[in-house]
Amino acid sequence: DVVMTQSPLFLPVTLGQPASISCRSSQSLVHSDGNTYLNWFQQRPGQSPRRLIYKVSNRDSGVPDRFSGSGSGTDFTLKISSVEAEDVGIYYCMQGTHWPPLTFGPGTKVDVK
Amino acid sequence: QVHLIQSGAEVKKVGASVKVSCKVSGYKVSEISMHWVRQTSGEGLEWMGGIDPVDGETVYAEKFQGRVTMTEDTSTDRAYMELSNLISDDTAVYYCTTKELDYWGQGTLVTVSS
Repeated sequence: DVVMTQSPLFLPVTLGQPASISCRSSQSLVHSDGNTYLNWFQQRPGQSPRRLIYKVSNRDSGVPDRFSGSGSGTDFTLKISSVEAEDVGIYYCMQGTHWPPLTFGPGTKVDVK
Repeated sequence: QVHLIQSGAEVKKVGASVKVSCKVSGYKVSEISMHWVRQTSGEGLEWMGGIDPVDGETVYAEKFQGRVTMTEDTSTDRAYMELSNLISDDTAVYYCTTKELDYWGQGTLVTVSS
């Protein structure tokens, strides 16, 4: 199974400042069809996970453009250009290239300093 | 737009079974390759299984093989996840979600007690 790791696991942020989360996979996530199935999810307190980014860098509908995804192969990054209060929560990366199983990272908890 | 509405919280004894339902609206359940993910306090998000859209077969995570059954009722547009031989570590919130994980149910808390 592909192991997903994230860093940091806890990210204290200052409102209005940028933030960045790293995600690494134990093997390349490039699929034989040429796509890279790396997603990012946000989970606000008390809510279900919400997909923010799919296939590395594509924002889902309704996701603010302050969120961006980048990376390739085994190294990926989620960036928030200017953190807002509503961004507090846990962020997960997930790979869908080498499934089954789908595998998630351990999560990064984002909280205001 | 897909909406997924799950059944309510359950409390079960160790060794029992639980069956969680997920009502689909906006689409037919047969049009969605439903997957199930659970969230425990210790393990984060854990994929349990789901339908492979390529061949329509249900695929289960190795960890749950033999204990989990995922089914669909096309007459009511509901998907079901049944987990048997419950242990205390199965205490978790269980989510139904689409194959692309772009739509999620609200979650169902299953508590397993001795």
